[in-house]
Amino acid sequence: GQSLEQPSEVTAVEGAIVQINCTYQTSGFYGLSWYQQHDGGAPTFLSYNALDGLEETGRFSSFLSRSDSYGYLLLQELQMKDSASYFCAVRAITGGGNKLTFGTGTQLKVEL
Amino acid sequence: KAGVTQTPRYLIKTRGQQVTLSCSPISGHRSVSWYQQTPGQGLQFLFEYFSETQRNKGNFPGRFSGRQFSNSRSEMNVSTLELGDSALYLCASSSDPGTSPQETQYFGPGTRLLVL
Repeated sequence: GQSLEQPSEVTAVEGAIVQINCTYQTSGFYGLSWYQQHDGGAPTFLSYNALDGLEETGRFSSFLSRSDSYGYLLLQELQMKDSASYFCAVRAITGGGNKLTFGTGTQLKVEL
Repeated sequence: KAGVTQTPRYLIKTRGQQVTLSCSPISGHRSVSWYQQTPGQGLQFLFEYFSETQRNKGNFPGRFSGRQFSNSRSEMNVSTLELGDSALYLCASSSDPGTSPQETQYFGPGTRLLVL
């Protein structure tokens, strides 16, 4: 099966940089995704890494090391609106296709 | 394009009852996945449907079932409800993650189910 580990909670101040780590164990790995979910809202897609390296999208960057089964989400110039839960998710090959397995989420609190 | 819609948004049931939740994917999307979200367990995969066929299934008991219609709309059913089934049920659609693994999943707002 698949398993993912990420910190349960991270606190940072507005304007700072924060890194949320994710380690995974899976077979048939396709790629690592990151989703953001605000309280009461639906998860929204942030980024996807299939190959090693860094992907940058505005203030958010995501990194993957396939050999280390490790990835991280980097949030720069933190804003109050970034307070949310962040989930890493592994896409892996299964019998009939592939499925997304989520970590338990990291709650990010941005303070003034 | 309209987003993923789910109905109802909120539901209260009692133990032993059954419930049916509905999901309409984004137009053109043929894959619908269902997830259960609880505070302690995060998002757990229930099943995925593509072209009316269940393509993947998570580790949930047989009380949880689903189906997909020819217009890609999907329903999930939970029979003999238990207190532990109280959760946010999310559906997500994508065009076809089977052929394009990087295909993004778009989530609906969820149905919050409370079992008393």
